Amino acid sequence: SAVISQKPSRDICQRGTSLTIQCQVDSQVTMMFWYRQQPGQSLTLIATANQGSEATYESGFVIDKFPISRPNLTFSTLTVSNMSPEDSSIYLCSVEDSVAGNGYTFGSGTRLTVV
Amino acid sequence: QKEVEQNSGPLSVPEGAIASLNCTYSDRGSQSFFWYRQYSGKSPELIMSIYSNGDKEDGRFTAQLNKASQYVSLLIRDSQPSDSATYLCAVQGGKLIFGQGTELSVKP
Repeated sequence: SAVISQKPSRDICQRGTSLTIQCQVDSQVTMMFWYRQQPGQSLTLIATANQGSEATYESGFVIDKFPISRPNLTFSTLTVSNMSPEDSSIYLCSVEDSVAGNGYTFGSGTRLTVV
Repeated sequence: QKEVEQNSGPLSVPEGAIASLNCTYSDRGSQSFFWYRQYSGKSPELIMSIYSNGDKEDGRFTAQLNKASQYVSLLIRDSQPSDSATYLCAVQGGKLIFGQGTELSVKP
């Protein structure tokens, strides 16, 4: 299955600043997915990133707050902009495995704390 | 109604017992169903996938799917303390939607 390298693994940021999270996949994938996991909660899909087109955002998430780049088929970034303490969460990227039945693979996550 | 709903936890079972985790979903067009295990501080890891009605067994794990009832379950036989984790049900129609998770605790 695909291997995803995600960084940073954690960060503590000041409110009002921005953080960019990177995900590198060891194979070419059409779509990459960004999720948020708030403390004690399950995973919520933020957006789907396709190479060569704008990301598709889920209800409640907007591009100005979570801009996404997808410059090629192995890499994507998610920026959390103008952060507030409510943005403190774990952010995960994910890809659908090319092998049927292998489901979705996740990066190791970025634990963000906004102070 | 939530799109994917799991039985609320935490669920506590003694070592060696069967743990039963349940999940219902609202989208009848859903095609793929997954169970993920998430240890505290770690990212989710896939333990089972199921696509057609019936049972699918893999070692100590059995997934059961009933599309007519919009129900998917996971049985863990001979539960071990190392099985203690949060189990996430995920359902894919167009996108992958997660349930809220059930925390399982296996007591030695």
